[in-house]
Amino acid sequence: EAGVTQFPSHSVIEKGQTVTLRCDPISGHDNLYWYRRVMGKEIKFLLHFVKESKQDESGMPNNRFLAERTGGTYSTLKVQPAELEDSGVYFCASSHRGANTGELFFGEGSRLTVL
Amino acid sequence: AQSVAQPEDQVNVAEGNPLTVKCTYSVSGNPYLFWYVQYPNRGLQFLLKYITGDNLVKGSYGFEAEFNKSQTSFHLKKPSALVSDSALYFCAVRPPLSNTGKLIFGQGTTLQVKP
Repeated sequence: EAGVTQFPSHSVIEKGQTVTLRCDPISGHDNLYWYRRVMGKEIKFLLHFVKESKQDESGMPNNRFLAERTGGTYSTLKVQPAELEDSGVYFCASSHRGANTGELFFGEGSRLTVL
Repeated sequence: AQSVAQPEDQVNVAEGNPLTVKCTYSVSGNPYLFWYVQYPNRGLQFLLKYITGDNLVKGSYGFEAEFNKSQTSFHLKKPSALVSDSALYFCAVRPPLSNTGKLIFGQGTTLQVKP
């Protein structure tokens, strides 16, 4: 079974540019989460999809961040325009619909560097 | 505010010695508690969890963790460390009223096991 995959693994962009991160969850996992770790600090929740619906987007920093999950399969997280403070590692995680204990399957993360 | 603290940025132990990675939390009620591990160039991987019952829980790779309600702690332990245990360890909690994978993470502790 393939794990959670994320692309790109590393992106370096200039301030003001746009970046789109992609996450492919484990097949059949309805729950998809985005998290972010900034500069060696704690990993912070960004948002949660159940299939194609946003269940909770309380962690999204501001309206420069847009997450989508069309068709309830893969998800994208777009940052437009990117700012210096957006640099960090963006993690995607998924779980089964009924698995609400908090055991998540994480991808390797997408490292974003904004110059 | 709800939070998780990992007071040590790095823990160094010699192979074969016991190890402890500390975690305390500030969450009201009875949260679910987790440890995740991130090996180099890999995604976060679930290690173990505490939901209820015995305060000592066992997980993967010989790790265990002890829940202490009075001290609001959930320290990760292993009786005999291996060089291959060297990785980044994250403590996380799921607040009591949450029924999703929205977790609150600590800032992580790097474990370095020397031969």
